[in-house]
Amino acid sequence: RKEVEQDPGPFNVPEGATVAFNCTYSNSASQSFFWYRQDCRKEPKLLMSVYSSGNEDGRFTAQLNRASQYISLLIRDSKLSDSATYLCVVTGDSSYKLIFGSGTRLLVRP
Amino acid sequence: EPEVTQTPSHQVTQMGQEVILRCVPISNHLYFYWYRQILGQKVEFLVSFYNNEISEKSEIFDDQFSVERPDGSNFTLKIRSTKLEDSAMYFCASSDPGASYNEQFFGPGTRLTVL
Repeated sequence: RKEVEQDPGPFNVPEGATVAFNCTYSNSASQSFFWYRQDCRKEPKLLMSVYSSGNEDGRFTAQLNRASQYISLLIRDSKLSDSATYLCVVTGDSSYKLIFGSGTRLLVRP
Repeated sequence: EPEVTQTPSHQVTQMGQEVILRCVPISNHLYFYWYRQILGQKVEFLVSFYNNEISEKSEIFDDQFSVERPDGSNFTLKIRSTKLEDSAMYFCASSDPGASYNEQFFGPGTRLTVL
């Protein structure tokens, strides 16, 4: 089983749509969880940390289900500028190293 | 806003040559990392560095690789004898362990091409 698993996409949605990304992770002892976005040939940029209780930042909502080892990201009212690859990232159980999923590509069309 | 910087942005080298990739982490951060991303693949952890020593390394980080903090600002990754399969984007990251989630912030990367 992959350490972090994501649907590769691409998700092709119109502007204004709501889109959801899901991710599962294999290590039940993982401590921290993040969503990063990556534009083509650029560095990963931190989008948001994912808190146990779930958290929202503007149009973005992240949820964590530790029992199911499942993380989600919801983007509301999508913009053209949201087009990117969204990376689900977890840490190890007693480590700061980041373990990346392969990413889900999002294309937002006019 | 403070950011991680990396030089060079692109490095081309011949197989067997040594390369040094340079990074300037965010100034108040204490943890430093190197990751790499082979074209079309996911980002992979190489090494983490804290308090002037390696705190963790992956299987990829073999004897050909080394890291150093030569002064108070730079953090370097050296590859002693490059192989074709070392061609990748190399990202430096840094974090503040005092932050609640120790979020890591990435530099723009160095594209290494080994011919």
